[in-house]
Amino acid sequence: GQSLEQPSEVTAVEGAIVQINCTYQTSGFYGLSWYQQHDGGAPTFLSYNALDGLEETGRFSSFLSRSDSYGYLLLQELQMKDSASYFCASSIKAAGNKLTFGGGTRVLVKP
Amino acid sequence: DAGVTQSPTHLIKTRGQHVTLRCSPISGHKSVSWYQQVLGQGPQFIFQYYEKEERGRGNFPDRFSARQFPNYSSELNVNALLLGDSALYLCASSFRALPGTGKNEKLFFGSGTQLSVL
Repeated sequence: GQSLEQPSEVTAVEGAIVQINCTYQTSGFYGLSWYQQHDGGAPTFLSYNALDGLEETGRFSSFLSRSDSYGYLLLQELQMKDSASYFCASSIKAAGNKLTFGGGTRVLVKP
Repeated sequence: DAGVTQSPTHLIKTRGQHVTLRCSPISGHKSVSWYQQVLGQGPQFIFQYYEKEERGRGNFPDRFSARQFPNYSSELNVNALLLGDSALYLCASSFRALPGTGKNEKLFFGSGTQLSVL
């Protein structure tokens, strides 16, 4: 089946850089998505990697290595508003039309 | 434009009761997915509907059912509620049927229905 592993919690200070790793165990893998969810809020899409390499969107970047079944989300110039949970997610061909999420990484940004 | 809307926002039920949750997708989106999110965990896939047909089903008991209407809105029904059904139920819409297969195949989530079963 599908499973995605990510650390449960990361704490950092404002202005710092945080890397959230995600390892996945799939075959027929399409790509890796990242979602952000603030407490009490809806998950919102951040980025998607289909190919190996780095995708940059403002302060956030996402990386994928298919050969290592590994990806990460990089949060730069951390701000207080970045305190949230971050989920990696993937779809695989054998699983049909579902997006499977990891357990989430809670990021706490301190002043 | 309105995002994904879900109703009700909060619900309290007792064991054995039945519940119906509702979702309206973003205008133009034909796919609706339902997820269950227990506090501190990632969303777990329940169902996906596309063009009113079930396209995917997660590992949930038959007490869970759903449907999609001609206007693409959707209902999730849960019968014989158990304490363990207490969770945030999220609805997500997308334009096409294969979320997570491309940069444009992202899910747009509603804020969810918080269900408490006592």
